[in-house]
Amino acid sequence: KAGVTQTPRYLIKTRGQQVTLSCSPISGHRSVSWYQQTPGQGLQFLFEYFSETQRNKGNFPGRFSGRQFSNSRSEMNVSTLELGDSALYLCASSLSILDSSYNEQFFGPGTRLTVL
Amino acid sequence: DQQVKQNSPSLSVQEGRISILNCDYTNSMFDYFLWYKKYPAEGPTFLISISSIKDKNEDGRFTVFLNKSAKHLSLHIVPSQPGDSAVYFCAASATGYNTDKLIFGTGTRLQVFP
Repeated sequence: KAGVTQTPRYLIKTRGQQVTLSCSPISGHRSVSWYQQTPGQGLQFLFEYFSETQRNKGNFPGRFSGRQFSNSRSEMNVSTLELGDSALYLCASSLSILDSSYNEQFFGPGTRLTVL
Repeated sequence: DQQVKQNSPSLSVQEGRISILNCDYTNSMFDYFLWYKKYPAEGPTFLISISSIKDKNEDGRFTVFLNKSAKHLSLHIVPSQPGDSAVYFCAASATGYNTDKLIFGTGTRLQVFP
């Protein structure tokens, strides 16, 4: 079974530009979450999508947005890039079975975004 | 507000010895805890988890202990191997809220030397 894939793996942008990152979850997984990893901050939760709807959101400015398509693939967009947006962006998918105690998340390799 | 804390940014252990990684949390609603391992340029991989109804969970060389009253959990690796050298993240979840959201600690870099 193929794992979570993310494209592109590396990206260099300049301040003020916008960027779109893509995530393809494991086949059959319905939930996709996005995290930002920066040195010293660990992984910070961005948002979570389930059945094309955002069902949870972290404490990030409105410049960060996302969406999920009917095939569960997800994209996240960052507009008006700032230097501080340089980070590793990780996508995770899970089965998200209702009434399950916990749905384990499987992570992709991430997209390394550098803002110059 | 850091709800999950890993106060040791790094740990160095000799091969064959025990590695103990610690994690503290503040939110009483957390009832499921996980440890992830991360190598550079890769996404985190799931290692072991524990539900709040248990105080210990073992999987081979890895054991996680949970002390609910102290809001503290630890990961024990015995014996430690050079391949265990990686960054370890503790994560917590509040189940029953229709979300798979994880709150992560800042990570502990483990180095196992020969």
